[in-house]
Order: sequence, then C-alpha cells, then structure tokens
Amino acid sequence: GESVGLHLPTLSVQEGDNSIINCAYSNSASDYFIWYKQESGKGPQFIIDIRSNMDKRQGQRVTVLLNKTVKHLSLQIAATQPGDSAVYFCAEGIQGAQKLVFGQGTRLTINP
Amino acid sequence: DADVTQTPRNRITKTGKRIMLECSQTKGHDRMYWYRQDPGLGLRLIYYSFDVKDINKGEISDGYSVSRQAQAKFSLSLESAIPNQTALYFCATSDFLHTQYFGPGTRLTVL
Repeated sequence: GESVGLHLPTLSVQEGDNSIINCAYSNSASDYFIWYKQESGKGPQFIIDIRSNMDKRQGQRVTVLLNKTVKHLSLQIAATQPGDSAVYFCAEGIQGAQKLVFGQGTRLTINP
Repeated sequence: DADVTQTPRNRITKTGKRIMLECSQTKGHDRMYWYRQDPGLGLRLIYYSFDVKDINKGEISDGYSVSRQAQAKFSLSLESAIPNQTALYFCATSDFLHTQYFGPGTRLTVL
C-alpha cells in the first residue's frame, strides 16, 4: 500500500544553521507533494509544494527537493530561526484521488 | 481573520455522549475534510466531501458521521463517544489544486 514516512523523528540544529528534513514515499503514481509545519497547539500550516514534473522548488528560506528515482523528498530550511521550531511533515497526493497521505512528522528544535 | 475555523477548540465529554464538531471556511473551496491526529500516527482521514451533495468515507469512518450543510460548513459527529476517540481533530479545505488548508483543531477528550 501507499505510505509516506520520515527518516528522522527528531532533529536539533543551532540557530542560524541550515536544516534538512527528509521524507520517503512509496507510491510512484503520486504527482504532488506538500510540506506542512505544525506548531504546538496549532493546525498544520502549508509551507511549500512541488509537482512530480519538478525536482526543485524554492520559497522564502525553504527549498524542497524531489528525487523520483529513489522516491525521496526533502525540505531544506536556511538560516534557521527560533520560530522554525515545530513538527514538519510531508504529504503525498495522488492525481484524481483528491486525498493526501501524511507522514508522521519530524520535530525540529532550534537551539539558541 | 482565519480562513478555516473550528468550534469548539476544546471539549471534554463522557462516554456515550453525542458530540458535534463544526468547521467553517471562507476560502470558497468546494472540498472539505475531517482528520484526526494521534501521537505517533499522524493525520488520518475520517470523512471528506467534494461538494455539498458529496460525502465519502475515509480510512477511519467507523463511529463518526458528517454533514455538509453548505459549501462553507462541514460538521463531524460522534454519535456515542468512546475513550479511544480522544484525539486532536482537524478540518481542512482544498480547491482543485489539491493543497489542503487546515483549521486550528479541536482537542477532544472522552472520559
């Protein structure tokens, strides 16, 4: 069956450093991927998405990389700030199904 | 102003009680979803609706029902709450571009 997972459940980085959060997916039919950020006590917040016809997409301080060959997705956050501390999880979308499959999440902690 | 709102934000109830969680959105999206979130299990889909006349079961619909009263409103009911329905519940909306936007969540505790 389809599944979306994360390699690391927790990640700690120093403020100002770059962080990379990884995600593996199993369904090669997926055609879009989304990264969400969830802060404590809040709902998931959309960060960035990428379609399967792309291998890289950049936003403000964030970059998502997609490697379809190995079914791997990553989120890079540049120059991390205390406000980046949160749980990040990826989601996989399947064309026509209009549903997302979510990973369990990685907790990112930014150390001062 | 929040685009997706949920009420109540917190609820404590007893086993056997009927509970309704409500979701409203001002994004103008046709598609609405209900998820529950449990530690270590991520987000799991309960029900979803692509328009006011469309209701679909998700992966964990047993014990839940929904009503799509209007394009902007989608409510989730627990007909007879049980303790293992204690969780965080999220409503989400999306348009044809697939990205889902979430509400702030409802923390439900069933004693």
